[in-house]
Amino acid sequence: AQSVAQPEDQVNVAEGNPLTVKCTYSVSGNPYLFWYVQYPNRGLQFLLKYITGDNLVKGSYGFEAEFNKSQTSFHLKKPSALVSDSALYFCARWEGFQKLVFGTGTRLLVSP
Amino acid sequence: DAGITQSPRHKVTETGTPVTLRCHQTENHRYMYWYRQDPGHGLRLIHYSYGVKDTDKGEVSDGYSVSRSKTEDFLLTLESATSSQTSVYFCAISESGTDAADTQYFGPGTRLTVL
Repeated sequence: AQSVAQPEDQVNVAEGNPLTVKCTYSVSGNPYLFWYVQYPNRGLQFLLKYITGDNLVKGSYGFEAEFNKSQTSFHLKKPSALVSDSALYFCARWEGFQKLVFGTGTRLLVSP
Repeated sequence: DAGITQSPRHKVTETGTPVTLRCHQTENHRYMYWYRQDPGHGLRLIHYSYGVKDTDKGEVSDGYSVSRSKTEDFLLTLESATSSQTSVYFCAISESGTDAADTQYFGPGTRLTVL
């Protein structure tokens, strides 16, 4: 089974509306999970991570993610989307020694 | 981009030619990584280094070699480039490769086209 999966290739949302970018993970192993964002022609920028503790993780640029063990999900959320949030978002899972496995990415388009 | 530079940023080359990509960091982090990014695959690990002259293979290492002679520099070499190696290559660094709480930070990427 895929370690992490991003079921949506693209998410469209209007500016000012809440946004959710989905990520699910396979049950086996520890769920150490990360979100990264990639703006056009840039490298990946770290947003947030879940290791242990509070299921709601707050990160950069107003983003947060909710770890849900029963649904094996780690969805990225923001209460009010900005046009500047338009980018490619990657969920990733740390699987042990040097191994960070990435999902296939979700393109977020925020319309004015 | 977290004190990481990559050179060149763009390169076009021909099949069969050798190509070397350079990653330079100013963070003095022990671990360095090379990934490739392809549509539908996310990022996949090519090779990584856990210290000077200490390297190991990742998920997609065939056709690639690496070297690390200084803490700050990590080189990726395509001995004989093929069209399947057309991709965007990212370097990443981390303080520890063994700690789940550690975060990898990425460079700006190199877009390589093999004709």
